[in-house]
Amino acid sequence: GAVVSQHPSWVICKSGTSVKIECRSLDFQATTMFWYRQFPKQSLMLMATSNEGSKATYEQGVEKDKFLINHASLTLSTLTVTSAHPEDSSFYICSAKVFGGASYNEQFFGPGTRLTVL
Amino acid sequence: QKEVEQNSGPLSVPEGAIASLNCTYSDRGSQSFFWYRQYSGKSPELIMFIYSNGDKEDGRFTAQLNKASQYVSLLIRDSQPSDSATYLCAVIGSNYKLTFGKGTLLTVNP
Repeated sequence: GAVVSQHPSWVICKSGTSVKIECRSLDFQATTMFWYRQFPKQSLMLMATSNEGSKATYEQGVEKDKFLINHASLTLSTLTVTSAHPEDSSFYICSAKVFGGASYNEQFFGPGTRLTVL
Repeated sequence: QKEVEQNSGPLSVPEGAIASLNCTYSDRGSQSFFWYRQYSGKSPELIMFIYSNGDKEDGRFTAQLNKASQYVSLLIRDSQPSDSATYLCAVIGSNYKLTFGKGTLLTVNP
């Protein structure tokens, strides 16, 4: 149980275009999802916290108008990278917390999306 | 700034040996501590979590927590080549957010 999927697993796009990444909890409901970014040989950095039905909370230094997050249902959150530039190339990973789960504070991670902006 | 520090390694151990991975954290209000394993190009997978001082064992893995010293460790017994990966220490601090260390690269040599 507690499976999180992401789509697409990798994407290559041209500079200036927008890219949407989906994060789904497949077998549980997730009231809270998180979006992380990982650059090569760096750790995961939290970008934003997404709560179902409300606006996302962004970490300091993350542009909310550039990284649009929508959490429309208990099983789906989307991250849209708008007007992507080469410096946005990174590994984007989502995670989800189990609603009412017994495992306190545990997050389940998706497989990640590799974004390359040319 | 909530920080989680790990030795980046690489840590190299022979097959069958015990691998010891260490982590310190700066936020004294931290309550939840996690060890993740990350293979190259993949997302992290949870190995263990620990909330209380002391040891917690799960198979070949033992997590150790010392809140007074703000120190968390992971021991891997009978290390296997398949254990070769980057191990990430992560902490939920007083801000309720999960903060990751940069990870320790472990190589288990056959």
